[in-house]
Amino acid sequence: QVQLQESGPGLVKPSETLSLTCTVSGYSINSVNSAYYWGWIRQPPGKGLEWIASFSHNGRTYHNPSLKSRDTISVDTSRNQYFLRLSSVTAADTAVYYCARENRYGSGSYFVSWGQGTQVTVSS
Amino acid sequence: QSVLTQPPSVSGAPGQRVTISCTGSSSDVGAAYDVHWYQHLPGTAPKLLIFGNTNRPSGVPDRFSASKSGTSASLAITGLQAEDEADYFCQSYDNSLSVVFGGGTKLTVL
Repeated sequence: QVQLQESGPGLVKPSETLSLTCTVSGYSINSVNSAYYWGWIRQPPGKGLEWIASFSHNGRTYHNPSLKSRDTISVDTSRNQYFLRLSSVTAADTAVYYCARENRYGSGSYFVSWGQGTQVTVSS
Repeated sequence: QSVLTQPPSVSGAPGQRVTISCTGSSSDVGAAYDVHWYQHLPGTAPKLLIFGNTNRPSGVPDRFSASKSGTSASLAITGLQAEDEADYFCQSYDNSLSVVFGGGTKLTVL
């Protein structure tokens, strides 16, 4: 059974870059399954979930346009980890950040497995 | 402002039935994209409850059911139990190939 675990600094200063790691176990990120994507989602305090971005093993990526290209996803298949970098952060980026495995198919997508989430606070 | 609209809260007594609505638009739910539902207890990983509008993953009790029509979807929980108290989110997809979520509904079991 696939498991995901987020990690990263809990506190980031405004205007700096937020960096998070998702460590995956029980399944290889590099496995050839066109339906599987790997994503990042966040939940600001008192608000709903917001999708950030997703990528597949063959390098295809999708991003939430509302983040205005501040986000970057990368992967280290040797460590079975993937990463999120979010630049020029503000207080509005304060949230619990989740990584999750996503099934994409013709009529949409859904997240099958999630990490526990990691709190990130943007503050000086 | 979430793309999909859900009521902020619903409540019900043990044993009762509650429903949670999820309303989208012609560019997401109404564009024939499937709706999925998650149960979320604060501090834990969200749990997939319903996928593909009506399908339950193995292990999810049949007390949970869902439907979709037009630009809206609905989650129903029958035989309400104390352990069902949680936040519930709907999720779909839009024409720009983006994932969209509802704002979440807090279910209180009275």
